[in-house]
Amino acid sequence: QKEVEQNSGPLSVPEGAIASLNCTYSDRGSQSFFWYRQYSGKSPELIMSIYSNGDKEDGRFTAQLNKASQYVSLLIRDSQPSDSATYLCAVNLASGGSYIPTFGRGTSLIVHP
Amino acid sequence: GAVVSQHPSRVICKSGTSVKIECRSLDFQATTMFWYRQFPKQSLMLMATSNEGSKATYEQGVEKDKFLINHASLTLSTLTVTSAHPEDSSFYICSASVANYGYTFGSGTRLTVV
Repeated sequence: QKEVEQNSGPLSVPEGAIASLNCTYSDRGSQSFFWYRQYSGKSPELIMSIYSNGDKEDGRFTAQLNKASQYVSLLIRDSQPSDSATYLCAVNLASGGSYIPTFGRGTSLIVHP
Repeated sequence: GAVVSQHPSRVICKSGTSVKIECRSLDFQATTMFWYRQFPKQSLMLMATSNEGSKATYEQGVEKDKFLINHASLTLSTLTVTSAHPEDSSFYICSASVANYGYTFGSGTRLTVV
């Protein structure tokens, strides 16, 4: 079973702190990785995509990918209450000659003032 | 860019009736569209992959005769929930693959079957 695993949380951090969200995946052949943010009752919105090992930074967000460990993470610096949401990790998993986006169950992040 | 418009955003229907959900790619051609269902506090569950001009590929456990998917053009894919029952009440979301971007989602449809 090809899977994407995330801790469901909730992860609670104080305002201004760094929030660290983690995700592991089972398919070593995966090449594309995404982090989405989903507010309650809304559809997911893309935060970051990452395709190669190392770090990728965009504003307060940093995605980290380690293909050897099959691990991808998202760091949120200077966390704000508006960052409180569910964060979904998505991985393109090979399926029947094509790639299917597969989502983890999401980690609930709570940033308290 | 890369916007997917999904309608309706919310629908309430009587048990036994059918509901159609539309997803349109507004500024790009979506050769592949994905349909998801999400129950409260759960992750997105892929229901089917819709390819323009061909039959949809359904995930295991999803009834293709109940969830009819049509992808007749490069900008429109529809999901019809036939003979809806209360257990079909859920949040349905479509998404499309966009080159060098990832996946963009529609705004979702909250279906309530009473």
